[in-house]
Amino acid sequence: SAVISQKPSRDICQRGTSLTIQCQVDSQVTMMFWYRQQPGQSLTLIATANQGSEATYESGFVIDKFPISRPNLTFSTLTVSNMSPEDSSIYLCSVWDGGRGANYGYTFGSGTRLTVV
Amino acid sequence: GENVEQHPSTLSVQEGDSAVIKCTYSDSASNYFPWYKQELGKRPQLIIDIRSNVGEKKDQRIAVTLNKTAKHFSLHITETQPEDSAVYFCAASRGMRFGAGTRLTVKP
Repeated sequence: SAVISQKPSRDICQRGTSLTIQCQVDSQVTMMFWYRQQPGQSLTLIATANQGSEATYESGFVIDKFPISRPNLTFSTLTVSNMSPEDSSIYLCSVWDGGRGANYGYTFGSGTRLTVV
Repeated sequence: GENVEQHPSTLSVQEGDSAVIKCTYSDSASNYFPWYKQELGKRPQLIIDIRSNVGEKKDQRIAVTLNKTAKHFSLHITETQPEDSAVYFCAASRGMRFGAGTRLTVKP
């Protein structure tokens, strides 16, 4: 399966500031996604990162708060803007690399643990 | 959009017993159903998946069954071991929505 490098792995940020999370994949992938996971909760899809066009956001998530870039088929960034303590969570990128190897599915990055103080 | 429901939320079994986790989905266009295992502090890892043209798939002690008509699929773990203890998530392909998760505890 694809190998994903996600960084930073964790950060503590002041409220009102912004943090950009990067996701680098070792090969070109068709689809990239950004998820949020609150402690002890399931994964909530924030948006699908589209190469060369604007991301597709899920209900409850907006571009002004979570701008996403995807300049090519191996890289994407998620920015958490104007942070508040409610944004404290784990953010994960995920890629669809169907057809490679034995695992035909979605692979996750190692996650970014964000704490807003 | 797709809605995935997962049951039970917690499951405790004795080592060696079987464990079954069930999920239902709402969008009949979903055609891919993965299961993930997430250990504490780690990323979700794909453990098995099934496509809509298959009714059952097995990989050693793990199996997944799919009933397209009823729109539900299940994860079966046989001969459970303490290292199977984790949170398990199901998902459906339309929008990659995840179930709420099942915390499985295998007691030695």
